[in-house]
Amino acid sequence: DTGVSQDPRHKITKRGQNVTFRCDPISEHNRLYWYRQTLGQGPEFLTYFQNEAQLEKSRLLSDRFSAERPKGSFSTLEIQRTEQGDSAMYLCASSLGPRTGPVYEQYFGPGTRLTVT
Amino acid sequence: QKEVEQNSGPLSVPEGAIASLNCTYSDRGSQSFFWYRQYSGKSPELIMSIYSNGDKEDGRFTAQLNKASQYVSLLIRDSQPSDSATYLCAVNRGDSSNTGKLIFGQGTTLQVKP
Repeated sequence: DTGVSQDPRHKITKRGQNVTFRCDPISEHNRLYWYRQTLGQGPEFLTYFQNEAQLEKSRLLSDRFSAERPKGSFSTLEIQRTEQGDSAMYLCASSLGPRTGPVYEQYFGPGTRLTVT
Repeated sequence: QKEVEQNSGPLSVPEGAIASLNCTYSDRGSQSFFWYRQYSGKSPELIMSIYSNGDKEDGRFTAQLNKASQYVSLLIRDSQPSDSATYLCAVNRGDSSNTGKLIFGQGTTLQVKP
């Protein structure tokens, strides 16, 4: 399977606990994106990496959130001191890049559904 | 005004009909436009991309872009019950750093009735 993979697929945690999600992009893609999606809404951009560099973070990404892509391959998203409002689907996507002009297409992984109780 | 707007629906069409899904966007500098299909409980799946004004066809799907009107649409011909899903419109604003960040609409739910 050469698609984007994410682990775990589901995570239930208690408020205040820390959680970490992993994303493995399509192998030849050097851009990796994290989005968050809540019920009835479209995905919202959180952050993105080009190779190992984190180049942009949304204001949605509070200081409790941190993302890494240490070797330019897989990425992790950590949420510290989880809150009930963090309950959502966390989606990872990857694409080729950079380029000038229209951007490359992004392909999504299956997502990690987080439930904070 | 939302950056990308879609009618949430549901849009209900009979099997075999043409489904027409619409999307408007606010940033005139937007360069890239995408349609994703999302089944309930699943992640978005890319079905069409369009970058230039006009029509782009792929099988039963046709994407239409009108940058002057800031409007993009998706037509699904010969709709099948398996097309029942939420369709997400996504736009890249074409910022100078060209991050590729996508702005999504809230999605339109399509129901195809047998």
